[in-house]
Amino acid sequence: AQSVSQHNHHVILSEAASLELGCNYSYGGTVNLFWYVQYPGQHLQLLLKYFSGDPLVKGIKGFEAEFIKSKFSFNLRKPSVQWSDTAEYFCAVNSEGYHDMRFGAGTRLTVKP
Amino acid sequence: GAVVSQHPSRVICKSGTSVKIECRSLDFQATTMFWYRQFPKQSLMLMATSNEGSKATYEQGVEKDKFLINHASLTLSTLTVTSAHPEDSSFYICSARGASFTYEQYFGPGTRLTVT
Repeated sequence: AQSVSQHNHHVILSEAASLELGCNYSYGGTVNLFWYVQYPGQHLQLLLKYFSGDPLVKGIKGFEAEFIKSKFSFNLRKPSVQWSDTAEYFCAVNSEGYHDMRFGAGTRLTVKP
Repeated sequence: GAVVSQHPSRVICKSGTSVKIECRSLDFQATTMFWYRQFPKQSLMLMATSNEGSKATYEQGVEKDKFLINHASLTLSTLTVTSAHPEDSSFYICSARGASFTYEQYFGPGTRLTVT
């Protein structure tokens, strides 16, 4: 079965700090990986996705993620966070042979102005 | 493109009654729709997967007789919570995937259900 783990439950940063949110998955086959963001009171929005090719993926709003197959990881990064990045971030995986998408527990990011 | 809507956005119902939530793909044909449940400050838990014209596939632990899912057309899926109880209060989110999207899903805005 596919599963996703996010190590950080709640991250608090000051504006301009760098961000890295961890995501690991458990599945040995081909995977498609996603990061979603959920701003307070809003619905899920896709930040970025990885299907194949360059393991460094750039998304919207300055976010990027790196797929490291050997580590089963897909960490999300942003060089300099803003107060408006305060939100819940979810890593998700869809594995070959599975129709659905599995989500990690989510990481709440609080950026202090 | 790829917009998914849900109706209603919020619903309050009394214990023992049933409530129906609609999920629509507005600008694409959704061959597969998914229903998730999200408890406060928690992640999304997949409840069921439905393909147009066929019975939904429920995740382990999800009561199919309580959470009725119908995917009658390529643009509409409904989730009916039957004989609702306060513990059914939650945020229900649907997502949809079209034939050309392969693995990507598009999410609706969610429906907040409160059972009193």
